[in-house]
Amino acid sequence: DVVLTQTPVSLSVTLGDQASISCRSSQSLEYSDGYTYLEWYLQKPGQSPQLLIYGVSNRFSGVPDRFIGSGSGTDFTLKISRVEPEDLGVYYCFQATHDPPTFGSGTKLEIK
Amino acid sequence: QVQLKESGPGLVQPSQTLSLTCTVSGFSLTSYTVSWVRQPPGKGLEWIGAIWSGGSTDYNSALKSRLSISRDTSKSQVLLKMNSLQTEDTAIYFCTVLREDYWGQGVMVTVSS
Repeated sequence: DVVLTQTPVSLSVTLGDQASISCRSSQSLEYSDGYTYLEWYLQKPGQSPQLLIYGVSNRFSGVPDRFIGSGSGTDFTLKISRVEPEDLGVYYCFQATHDPPTFGSGTKLEIK
Repeated sequence: QVQLKESGPGLVQPSQTLSLTCTVSGFSLTSYTVSWVRQPPGKGLEWIGAIWSGGSTDYNSALKSRLSISRDTSKSQVLLKMNSLQTEDTAIYFCTVLREDYWGQGVMVTVSS
């Protein structure tokens, strides 16, 4: 199975600053059709996860443009510019290129 | 309005079989893939399996021998059955349409005697 390694495990950020999360895959996530099925989810405390980014860099409906996904192949990054209080929670990358789909281990974002 | 709601027993005895139901509304099971995702207390997310819009299924390789996902389109329900439960299967179980960001609120399942 594809292993997604997220770093850091936790992140403490001052409001208004930028946060960056890395997701590295044990295999390339580019599918044979050229698409990369890499997504980012945020799980806020006590809630179900919510989709932020799909296809590496596409923001889901309603997601602020402060959330920026990038990367290719095996290395991906989620950047959150101007962190706001509602951004706290655990961020997960997720791949659906290879079967079975897998989640990363998560990165907990805390506000200083 | 799209809704997904998980239901099932909160407590299951070790070695017994877990049966969970995901009842959906606002969309057709023949149009979307429904996945099951679980989360042990204080831990991360694990994709368990899915039933595709066409009715075929896909399972987490580590759970495949114990897992079965099916659906009843007339009732708009997706059914998960997992046998030989162990304490490490204790988790919140979510049903979801991942690509559309439709999620249930999750159901807590505790495996304990």
